[in-house]
Amino acid sequence: QSVLTQPPSVSAAPGQKVTISCSGSSSNIGNNYVSWYQQLPGTAPKLLIYENNKRPSGIPDRFSGSKSGTSATLGITGLQTGDEADYYCGTWDRSLNPGPVFGGGTKLTVL
Amino acid sequence: EVQLLESGGGLVQPGGSLRLSCAASGFTFSTCAMTWVRQAPGKGLEWVSAISGGGGATYYADSVKGRFTISRDNSKNTLYLQMNSLRAEDTAIYYCAKDPRGQLENFDYWGQGTLVTVSS
Repeated sequence: QSVLTQPPSVSAAPGQKVTISCSGSSSNIGNNYVSWYQQLPGTAPKLLIYENNKRPSGIPDRFSGSKSGTSATLGITGLQTGDEADYYCGTWDRSLNPGPVFGGGTKLTVL
Repeated sequence: EVQLLESGGGLVQPGGSLRLSCAASGFTFSTCAMTWVRQAPGKGLEWVSAISGGGGATYYADSVKGRFTISRDNSKNTLYLQMNSLRAEDTAIYYCAKDPRGQLENFDYWGQGTLVTVSS
């Protein structure tokens, strides 16, 4: 059971927009930055978004992040078949076992 | 170009030990905090351990505290994870990752991972 809650799967057609939610609490998302990672099949995770809404160099602006209260959202516009992957949110959690935590992951299918 | 290359994974019996290594290049290793994150087969990501750039501060998830030890050799640009008293639930791909701000908030580069299988 992950500390951060993500939908198990989302899907959309090529060219469309999709959003992936990440729900937490005041112990984690509510008081810390959120990051997002993309994991293509059989590969290592890749940082997509950090500090809620910043993109590392080389990440296209089709990817965006936002945070409100104890939830965060990853948005992807202009969907491509190459975007099919698992997406994870992450943040710091200061509850009983302080440390970085991740969501359970969301499988994106581009139909 | 930042590169992280893990090694040392393999099959080990329950109760056994294994030492993972992560060779780093392309950045000033000694000034960067580093972390280990694992992923059980078909499961999500789980943070395991982290270490400051100088090696003086270390952090562990409760699930591995007392069994795993993180360390680094800045003269060799290498990160280590010594894993003792291994259990079946430690079976996972282990990734090393770079922590750009040393705040355990995000990890900007990841290695390709090394698979650890704990089974009799």
